[in-house]
Amino acid sequence: KAGVTQTPRYLIKTRGQQVTLSCSPISGHRSVSWYQQTPGQGLQFLFEYFSETQRNKGNFPGRFSGRQFSNSRSEMNVSTLELGDSALYLCASRGDGATEQYFGPGTRLTVT
Amino acid sequence: SQQGEEDPQALSIQEGENATMNCSYKTSINNLQWYRQNSGRGLVHLILIRSNEREKHSGRLRVTLDTSKKSSSLLITASRAADTASYFCATVKGSARQLTFGSGTQLTVLP
Repeated sequence: KAGVTQTPRYLIKTRGQQVTLSCSPISGHRSVSWYQQTPGQGLQFLFEYFSETQRNKGNFPGRFSGRQFSNSRSEMNVSTLELGDSALYLCASRGDGATEQYFGPGTRLTVT
Repeated sequence: SQQGEEDPQALSIQEGENATMNCSYKTSINNLQWYRQNSGRGLVHLILIRSNEREKHSGRLRVTLDTSKKSSSLLITASRAADTASYFCATVKGSARQLTFGSGTQLTVLP
């Protein structure tokens, strides 16, 4: 099976812009979670989607949003970018009933 | 916010030596997992231990869990240069599915 894929791998944006990141889970996995990794805050949970519904949300402002499509692919959107949004954004998928999460390689977002 | 801390923050050892990393967490958990991350890339799941287990082995990995002390340790035996990476513990609480990560240990194995 192909692993979790994320696009783009690298992105440079300017403050105030918005960005959309994409994640394709492992085939058959319906759960997709997003995490943000920064040197200061470490790895933090953003949200989880399952069958097109947001099931869980972390403590992030409303500028961070996401969605999931019927094929389980997921996108996350960050509006009105701030310098502090510069981070590695990781997506993970999980099979039904499983506990292990499979991570993609991440999207490195730089906000200037 | 992060669930807990890991120590040491950084560890440097020679190939063939054992590496031990510790993780402390703050709340009761359902299970604890260890992940490896190579140089700012995706995380790879290593091992999971449930709250009712005390010790688990997988190849060169040995993980222990002490729920009374809210702590876990990961032992990598006979380390190799390829083990050089950051190691994170992550907890799962109750019926939640999200992972709450520790701060990580940067392991360097010198050839």
